[in-house]
Amino acid sequence: RKEVEQDPGPFNVPEGATVAFNCTYSNSASQSFFWYRQDCRKEPKLLMSVYSSGNEDGRFTAQLNRASQYISLLIRDSKLSDSATYLCVVSSGNTPLVFGKGTRLSVIA
Amino acid sequence: DARVTQTPRDKVTEMGQEVTMRCQPILGHNTVFWYRQTMMQGLELLAYFRNRAPLDDSGMPKDRFSAEMPDATLATLKIQPSEPRDSAVYFCASALDGSSGNTIYFGEGSWLTVV
Repeated sequence: RKEVEQDPGPFNVPEGATVAFNCTYSNSASQSFFWYRQDCRKEPKLLMSVYSSGNEDGRFTAQLNRASQYISLLIRDSKLSDSATYLCVVSSGNTPLVFGKGTRLSVIA
Repeated sequence: DARVTQTPRDKVTEMGQEVTMRCQPILGHNTVFWYRQTMMQGLELLAYFRNRAPLDDSGMPKDRFSAEMPDATLATLKIQPSEPRDSAVYFCASALDGSSGNTIYFGEGSWLTVV
């Protein structure tokens, strides 16, 4: 079983829609959680960190459920520019990041 | 604008040839990672260094892959001999003191095709 599991998608949604991605992780010692965004033929870039209390950055909301070992990302009012692959990432303290395979999102006009 | 620099950007090579990928981490960053990305496996950690010392290379096939940091401004990943299954994108990333996501920066990747 992979350490970080994500639905690969693709998620095809119309502009303005709300879309949610889920991710589960297997290592209960994981301490740090992130969502990265990767555009086609580009490198991954940090989208946002995920905190236990949940956090929001504009149209993006991230949630963490430690008991269920589950992370989510909600995108409201989808834009065409949100089309990308979203990578769920975890880390156990001072260890390298472990990446999920990513969920592909296509926002359609 | 500080960035991680990787060369080559694209490489097509024949099976059996040696491939060397180079990475210049962001100045002052003391941790360097090599990741490989494929459609099937996603992003996998191959090796990483802290203060130029190798900390973990368990993700790397030892018989053909080697990673080094000759100095603080250069990391190399070598494949010898290359095989078609090595075709992937190889990302170098650097971080300052650790691996928390808000300080790790990726290079643009080296796109390797072995035919």
